[in-house]
Amino acid sequence: GAGVSQSPSNKVTEKGKDVELRCDPISGHTALYWYRQSLGQGLEFLIYFQGNSAPDKSGLPSDRFSAERTGGSVSTLTIQRTQQEDSAVYLCASSQNSNQPQHFGDGTRLSIL
Amino acid sequence: GNSVTQMEGPVTLSEEAFLTINCTYTATGYPSLFWYVQYPGEGLQLLLKATKADDKGSNKGFEATYRKETTSFHLEKGSVQVSDSAVYFCALSDMDTGRRALTFGSGTRLQVQP
Repeated sequence: GAGVSQSPSNKVTEKGKDVELRCDPISGHTALYWYRQSLGQGLEFLIYFQGNSAPDKSGLPSDRFSAERTGGSVSTLTIQRTQQEDSAVYLCASSQNSNQPQHFGDGTRLSIL
Repeated sequence: GNSVTQMEGPVTLSEEAFLTINCTYTATGYPSLFWYVQYPGEGLQLLLKATKADDKGSNKGFEATYRKETTSFHLEKGSVQVSDSAVYFCALSDMDTGRRALTFGSGTRLQVQP
């Protein structure tokens, strides 16, 4: 399809495990964003990529969170040593460039047991 | 810092009623303003946008006007349908400060009854 694709759509894991979430942006979109949506905190920005570099990582909540983007396309968000408070829907968005509207994927629902 | 404030939900309306969802913002620079909609079980979709004062964004019968003097971007629709039931998010991006990320309001759930 032509939209932003995220995988997996659902992930259940035990506390303390590491998880990787994947985002395939719309083809040709140079800007990519990760957000988190949780009941208590609403929609929170995590990190922004322009190409392969991340000029804004200010939303990452702790050093357990990291992200990378390769080839100016696919991005992975990694959470190490997961905690129960990491349970949320993780949303990825992309835009043609940073001045254009962002288009969102359907998200990955992460549940930490 | 930047912030967006939306009216508390849920908003419950009968079909064909008039809708207003209030949104006000605080921004350091001169932001672009957006409304996103999230239908049940789906991701966020861009509904409409406005990039400068007095611009009116419109889509699917929804409208919002960028009011710099009142720092507002209220969402309106003249006649809602059951299919409009969703959560609506007001958001801003503030390029002047180099902040590319969206700042979202807390969302307003709309329930339209037949």
